[in-house]
Amino acid sequence: EAQVTQNPRYLITVTGKKLTVTCSQNMNHEYMSWYRQDPGLGLRQIYYSMNVEVTDKGDVPEGYKVSRKEKRNFPLILESPSPNQTSLYFCASSPGGTGELFFGEGSRLTVL
Amino acid sequence: AQKVTQAQTEISVVEKEDVTLDCVYETRDTTYYLFWYKQPPSGELVFLIRRNSFDEQNEISGRYSWNFQKSTSSFNFTITASQVVDSAVYFCALSESRAGKSTFGDGTTLTVKP
Repeated sequence: EAQVTQNPRYLITVTGKKLTVTCSQNMNHEYMSWYRQDPGLGLRQIYYSMNVEVTDKGDVPEGYKVSRKEKRNFPLILESPSPNQTSLYFCASSPGGTGELFFGEGSRLTVL
Repeated sequence: AQKVTQAQTEISVVEKEDVTLDCVYETRDTTYYLFWYKQPPSGELVFLIRRNSFDEQNEISGRYSWNFQKSTSSFNFTITASQVVDSAVYFCALSESRAGKSTFGDGTTLTVKP
């Protein structure tokens, strides 16, 4: 089954404790992207990647890192999480940068 | 910079009513792509439609239809004879020709009451 898989789905952590949200897709898509969803603010793009070893900032990259060492994986790294990073995070992939996005199920992160 | 505005934060209708969700966008590119996504109460995001800037033909898919007007920078979405299962948050989105960056509107929460 074609899918985008995120882990963990739910996480409660404390300020400053590094965490990684993994994202994996099995559709051989070149493009992957991370978004955060906050009430009333829609989805805001954090980082995106057009291909392996190619990443670029979206609209809200501060406090996040990403890497794209393999085509299928695009982890989101919070080196020192803060409470304002409490949010619902979505990973997405697409055959190309302007195509239909296939989203993961979302990861709800709470930073205390 | 690109921008997407969904002025309607919440809409409530009674089943079988028609409803239109508005989307207005801003971009400097002549080549761009517009999308609508649905987020039902279960939380997943579901693709509905993609339109490129050179294709102004309206599209109909069952009870759903989309009206793209470049002259007014709008890409509106109409649900005909709404059903309770249409209750969801709907997002309009824009990707410019510089592939990669995408901008979403804030979303419109549609509630269809029985």
